Amino acid sequence: NFMLTQPHSVSESPGKTVTISCTRSSGSIAGYYVQWYQQRPGSSPTTLIYEDDQRPSGVPDRFSGSIDSSSNSASLTISGLKTEDEADYYCQSYDTSNRGVFGGGTKLTVL
Amino acid sequence: QVQLVESGGGVVQPGRSLRLSCVASGFNFHNFGMHWVRQAPGRGLEWVAFIWFDGSNKYYADSVRGRFTVSRDNSKNTLYLQINSLGAQDTAVYYCAKADIGDSWSLLNWGQGTLLTVSS
Repeated sequence: NFMLTQPHSVSESPGKTVTISCTRSSGSIAGYYVQWYQQRPGSSPTTLIYEDDQRPSGVPDRFSGSIDSSSNSASLTISGLKTEDEADYYCQSYDTSNRGVFGGGTKLTVL
Repeated sequence: QVQLVESGGGVVQPGRSLRLSCVASGFNFHNFGMHWVRQAPGRGLEWVAFIWFDGSNKYYADSVRGRFTVSRDNSKNTLYLQINSLGAQDTAVYYCAKADIGDSWSLLNWGQGTLLTVSS
């Protein structure tokens, strides 16, 4: 089984840009699509990014996704931070054994 | 718009069985894969199970394989999760999620979740 490792927490000021990383322990990050989900306290998750860098309709373009094969990691970048972006963020992918995996989640504080 | 409504949670004694349901609307249910994801209190998300659009393939997390069974009734636009031999480790909010296509691991839409508490 592989793992997806995220920082436990990040913080940044309103209006700034923050990047959350997601490192895959084995298997190529480019071989399996990565998704990113936002979960605000007390709410269900919502999808921010799917298939590495695609935004569902309705998701602002302040949110962007990318992958980096050299570090075997994916990244979620949020620009123009707003206080409403305070939430937990999860990356997710899968493997050839048909198992889905979520990262441990990153708590974003906008202060 | 896509709507997913889970039900069937509650307080259940250890060792018992339970079936969760997820009723879908606002899209052609029979064309899309569906996933179950759970979240224990204060913990992160855990992928549980995936069923293809036509039910022909089903996949499970190692932690639940053998006790959980995912199924669907496309005539009723409903997804199910049968859980047997319940244990305290199964206490969680269970979410159903719609994939972006029939056999995809990209979860695009989520339900509001149903809380299952395993306790004597």
